[in-house]
Amino acid sequence: GQNIDQPTEMTATEGAIVQINCTYQTSGFNGLFWYQQHAGEAPTFLSYNVLDGLEEKGRFSSFLSRSKGYSYLLLKELQMKDSASYLCAVLDSNYQLIWGAGTKLIIKP
Amino acid sequence: IAGITQAPTSQILAAGRRMTLRCTQDMRHNAMYWYRQDLGLGLRLIHYSNTAGTTGKGEVPDGYSVSRANTDDFPLTLASAVPSQTSVYFCASSESGGPNNEQFFGPGTRLTVL
Repeated sequence: GQNIDQPTEMTATEGAIVQINCTYQTSGFNGLFWYQQHAGEAPTFLSYNVLDGLEEKGRFSSFLSRSKGYSYLLLKELQMKDSASYLCAVLDSNYQLIWGAGTKLIIKP
Repeated sequence: IAGITQAPTSQILAAGRRMTLRCTQDMRHNAMYWYRQDLGLGLRLIHYSNTAGTTGKGEVPDGYSVSRANTDDFPLTLASAVPSQTSVYFCASSESGGPNNEQFFGPGTRLTVL
């Protein structure tokens, strides 16, 4: 079966750094996405990785290791507005996105 | 403003009733998708369409049907609603159904079936 695992909830302090992990087992791999979803809103795109390594985009970075079936999203200089759920999704061999249940990130002052 | 719109925003429906959720995008995207999102679960794909005139089944298609008569519209129909279809429904679109295609999401429809 196909499986995406990520922690259910994490807590971090404003101004700090947090790493959200995602492990996956899917039928085929055509890339991994990270999305942000604020409560009651639609998911919005953060990053896409298809090759191993780190992709940096401002305060957010995403890392991929295909051999380990592993990715992480790194958020630096945390702000209160970063409180949201972060969704990991893998594009499988049929080009369909398989989604994790999401990690709810709580930022404390 | 370019984007995806969904209607209604929310709906309470009696079991057994028929319901169509509407989705329209103005980005001229070829691919469109319907997901449901339930607490504790990831987004699950119901149906998709890679181009106008074609549709395909996703992970949880039973009890739902779709049509894609043109590029912009992708309605989702529940023929006879059941309580297990209570969920938040998101419509999404992307330029194509291939790799590296960011999906853009509509605001969602919150559906309650009693």
